[in-house]
Amino acid sequence: AQKVTQAQTEISVVEKEDVTLDCVYETRDTTYYLFWYKQPPSGELVFLIRRNSFDEQNEISGRYSWNFQKSTSSFNFTITASQVVDSAVYFCALSEAAYGGATNKLIFGTGTLLAVQP
Amino acid sequence: SAVISQKPSRDICQRGTSLTIQCQVDSQVTMMFWYRQQPGQSLTLIATANQGSEATYESGFVIDKFPISRPNLTFSTLTVSNMSPEDSSIYLCSVRQGHSNQPQHFGDGTRLSIL
Repeated sequence: AQKVTQAQTEISVVEKEDVTLDCVYETRDTTYYLFWYKQPPSGELVFLIRRNSFDEQNEISGRYSWNFQKSTSSFNFTITASQVVDSAVYFCALSEAAYGGATNKLIFGTGTLLAVQP
Repeated sequence: SAVISQKPSRDICQRGTSLTIQCQVDSQVTMMFWYRQQPGQSLTLIATANQGSEATYESGFVIDKFPISRPNLTFSTLTVSNMSPEDSSIYLCSVRQGHSNQPQHFGDGTRLSIL
């Protein structure tokens, strides 16, 4: 069965610190997709990144970077030089490939609340 | 990505009443979904809204409680029926264009409180 685990429920850091949010997933499928979303206090869910299971390249986008390791079933998210505006709940999510016309759902982790203090 | 408008943004309702939430997209999309986010919790998929046919509900959710319509490729509604305080949640519409490798994009959500 699909499952996404975000063991860190809350993290508090001081501005300019680096912080890593952990995500561990379970799936029996060989083709799957991983996502990170940000939910700021205003409530909207913002898509950050998608990673395919066959692409283990890490990715960097500004202060954000993602480390995908199939060997450990992890897809961790690092924010470098954190800022107060990074304060939000961050969700990791998993989707399996849909075959035979089946629609597949997005399985969310429980989220990590990141609080960046000035 | 598509612009998703969800209405109402919030509401306070009486126990036993029903509320219909609308989700309008500015372009045709392949898939539309409805999620529930209970206070302090993660997102749970309620159902996939199928254009022109009955929605596909997840385990624990039934059509009588959460009837869904999707008359075309840009619009869907979710009704929360016979509401109780346990239905107090954020309800979110999401859309996806194409295959499951594409991200879902979410509306701003409807914050629902039941008295």
